[in-house]
Amino acid sequence: DGGITQSPKYLFRKEGQNVTLSCEQNLNHDAMYWYRQDPGQGLRLIYYSQIVNDFQKGDIAEGYSVSREKKESFPLTVTSAQKNPTAFYLCASKLEGSYEQYFGPGTRLTVT
Amino acid sequence: AQSVSQHNHHVILSEAASLELGCNYSYGGTVNLFWYVQYPGQHLQLLLKYFSGDPLVKGIKGFEAEFIKSKFSFNLRKPSVQWSDTAEYFCAVKDGNNRKLIWGLGTSLAVNP
Repeated sequence: DGGITQSPKYLFRKEGQNVTLSCEQNLNHDAMYWYRQDPGQGLRLIYYSQIVNDFQKGDIAEGYSVSREKKESFPLTVTSAQKNPTAFYLCASKLEGSYEQYFGPGTRLTVT
Repeated sequence: AQSVSQHNHHVILSEAASLELGCNYSYGGTVNLFWYVQYPGQHLQLLLKYFSGDPLVKGIKGFEAEFIKSKFSFNLRKPSVQWSDTAEYFCAVKDGNNRKLIWGLGTSLAVNP
């Protein structure tokens, strides 16, 4: 059953702690994306990666980091430098040459 | 910078009413246009897309959208909504040179039975 998995669905952390959100896809897609979704603000791009071992900052990369060591995996670390980390995080992937992005179920992160 | 504007942030309709959600974009060149939908508790998924050709595009679940180049618009329509259409709808645009999608802020649609 092909798709994108994000884990966990809900995540709670204390302020000042780094936290890593998982994103795995078995669609053999080349590109992967991380978005942040806040009420009334749509989707904002954090980071994206077109190929393994390469990634680019999106529009709101500050306070986040990523890695792309494997084609299937694109974990996102929310660092303590992110001023307002509580949000819903969406991972997406896309096949090279296609424009349709496929989305995972999301992780809701709450930092207190 | 490119931008995508969705005019309606919250829409409430009764079942069988007609729906039109507005989407305008700022880029003047060749664009690819998308509408995505996020049903409660479900993944964001593609509703329909326009790349070229017939400007009237048909999508899933009876939705359609019309690309009007002169108005920089890609409005989403459905002649008769159902309760199950309750969801958040996002318009997105990709221009010819950009590897990223530019997203609208979304429109929350509530359909009352």
